[in-house]
Amino acid sequence: GAGVSQSPSNKVTEKGKDVELRCDPISGHTALYWYRQSLGQGLEFLIYFQGNSAPDKSGLPSDRFSAERTGGSVSTLTIQRTQQEDSAVYLCASSPGLVTDTQYFGPGTRLTVL
Amino acid sequence: AQTVTQSQPEMSVQEAETVTLSCTYDTSESDYYLFWYKQPPSRQMILVIRQEAYKQQNATENRFSVNFQKAAKSFSLKISDSQLGDAAMYFCAYRSASSRDYKLSFGAGTTVTVRA
Repeated sequence: GAGVSQSPSNKVTEKGKDVELRCDPISGHTALYWYRQSLGQGLEFLIYFQGNSAPDKSGLPSDRFSAERTGGSVSTLTIQRTQQEDSAVYLCASSPGLVTDTQYFGPGTRLTVL
Repeated sequence: AQTVTQSQPEMSVQEAETVTLSCTYDTSESDYYLFWYKQPPSRQMILVIRQEAYKQQNATENRFSVNFQKAAKSFSLKISDSQLGDAAMYFCAYRSASSRDYKLSFGAGTTVTVRA
C-alpha cells in the first residue's frame, strides 16, 4: 500500500512568513509523529497525535509552532513568523498504534527560510 | 531523557565486505525498543531492523543483524555482504516501552560509503 506522503517536498520562504507542511499517514494508522532534522540539532521529536489529539506537545520549539490533525488522518504542521533557524527537514511518521508499533517515515519536507 | 550515541560519523566498506556500526544508549528503563533506520539521499527514513529489549535473541533481517548487549547498553548493526545500495546514513534510535513516551530518540548518525 501507499506509504506516508508529505507535501510540499521543498519549501522556500522569506523570514517572517507563515508556512504549512502537510502529512498524509499510512491508511489505518492511528498514531502520527512529527520530527525535525537539522544540521545543528540532529533529529528531534516535535509532537505526536493519537487520533486527533496531541497528548505530548513538549517537543515544539516555540509557540510559533502548532500542529493539528483532522479526521484521524491528515496532519498539518504550521510555523508562524518563520525564522532562519527553522530551516530544516521536517519528517512525518505514522504507526498503526502507539505502544509497540514501529514508526514509518515519509520523505520529509525541506524548509529553507531566507 | 534517553541519550543515544553513535561514535562513528563515517564508515567506509568495500563491496561484499562486512561493516559494523556502533550505538550505545543511556536509560534507566528495563523495557524499551531499539531500531536502526537507513536514510539514503532521498531523505526517506527506512526501517532496517528492530529489537525488543526483553528479547535476548539478536534480531536479523537478511544481510543485517544486530549485537544487542543489554547490560552494556550497546546495540551495534552488522551489514554483511555490503552492496552499493547500502550507502546511506544510518541512525540508531531508542523508544521507551512506557505508555507515556512514544517518541524516538535518535543518535547523530553514521554515514556509510560503499566502495566498488
